[in-house]
Amino acid sequence: GQNIDQPTEMTATEGAIVQINCTYQTSGFNGLFWYQQHAGEAPTFLSYNVLDGLEEKGRFSSFLSRSKGYSYLLLKELQMKDSASYLCAVRPPQAGTALIFGKGTTLSVSS
Amino acid sequence: DVKVTQSSRYLVKRTGEKVFLECVQDMDHENMFWYRQDPGLGLRLIYFSYDVKMKEKGDIPEGYSVSREKKERFSLILESASTNQTSMYLCASTRSRSTDTQYFGPGTRLTVL
Repeated sequence: GQNIDQPTEMTATEGAIVQINCTYQTSGFNGLFWYQQHAGEAPTFLSYNVLDGLEEKGRFSSFLSRSKGYSYLLLKELQMKDSASYLCAVRPPQAGTALIFGKGTTLSVSS
Repeated sequence: DVKVTQSSRYLVKRTGEKVFLECVQDMDHENMFWYRQDPGLGLRLIYFSYDVKMKEKGDIPEGYSVSREKKERFSLILESASTNQTSMYLCASTRSRSTDTQYFGPGTRLTVL
């Protein structure tokens, strides 16, 4: 079966660092995406990992361990505008299939 | 920039009505998708299409149909709307492979009374 797990909710304060975890058990793997979605808006692309290790992009970094079926999104120097849902999605290797999305983690940043 | 547009941001319909949700992308993308998003359930794939006149069922196709007559346009049809189809509907597209980076439209919040 296909299963992607993320925490439902997280809270943090401005200026802090937060790590959002994603574990997956899927029949095949060919990469992992992170998307950000503000309330009432469409998801937007944040990062893509296909090899093990850390990818850094400004305040956001994403890590992948394929052997552990595990990824995390790291947000540094949190700002109020980072309050959003963060979606983890696995890319299956088969052609003609679609991304498999987790249910998302809602992050609330307070001052 | 890729632009994916949806015909309405908000829509209110009555039970039993036929509902059309339109999605258009302007970047010549091959693949297009329809999702619904509900609290606690995340994004669920309804249908997708990897070519004109082609369609594939997603995880929850019951009660929906789709049409792709032109490459840039993908329509979601609710033949007879029901209250349990009240949801946020999101359209997405990808360039050349169905599992590439997805670009989403702004969403249509449909309420069925």
